[in-house]
Amino acid sequence: DAEITQSPRHKITETGRQVTLACHQTWNHNNMFWYRQDLGHGLRLIHYSYGVQDTNKGEVSDGYSVSRSNTEDLPLTLESAASSQTSVYFCASAPGTSVHEQYFGPGTRLTVT
Amino acid sequence: SQKIEQNSEALNIQEGKTATLTCNYTNYSPAYLQWYRQDPGRGPVFLLLIRENEKEKRKERLKVTFDTTLKQSLFHITASQPADSATYLCALTGSSNTGKLIFGQGTTLQVKP
Repeated sequence: DAEITQSPRHKITETGRQVTLACHQTWNHNNMFWYRQDLGHGLRLIHYSYGVQDTNKGEVSDGYSVSRSNTEDLPLTLESAASSQTSVYFCASAPGTSVHEQYFGPGTRLTVT
Repeated sequence: SQKIEQNSEALNIQEGKTATLTCNYTNYSPAYLQWYRQDPGRGPVFLLLIRENEKEKRKERLKVTFDTTLKQSLFHITASQPADSATYLCALTGSSNTGKLIFGQGTTLQVKP
């Protein structure tokens, strides 16, 4: 069965370190998204991609970057982790025919100490 | 600024009753409105999408209404079951088909047997 996976599921890192969160989908969807979820804010869009070599900034992109070298993967990199980036991160994908119907991964809980 | 409001207080109802959740928005003219379900420790799951020119959408025990004049959507679960207990998220997107969702913070529903 097609699925979307994230790794690691839990990560503790120190302030200033570079961290990469992986997202892999086997739906063959062109569209992929990264969100963060925090109490009091709900889900907020970080970056998104409509296809290979395409990346776009979302609402809260500062301090994050993504790259899209193939259809299946959209890794999220925190260039220099900050305590404000402690959050739960969700990756999502959507088909080109229904970009609003997004399939979410299980999430990565990141703690920056 | 754009704002989406969902009742932050948990909704507690008895099994078999109809649950009604509210999503209000301001400073926004969404073309699409979606409802997602999120269980603890998991990613959101897409439930229903309704377009701005649709008044009502149904799927099994679920019904969504969309009133662009009131800037409000209502989400109904009829004949509710304990398994319906979860957090329900409202999400909006604009007229451009970007898939850039703006989420509300969600309302937690607890269905008691």
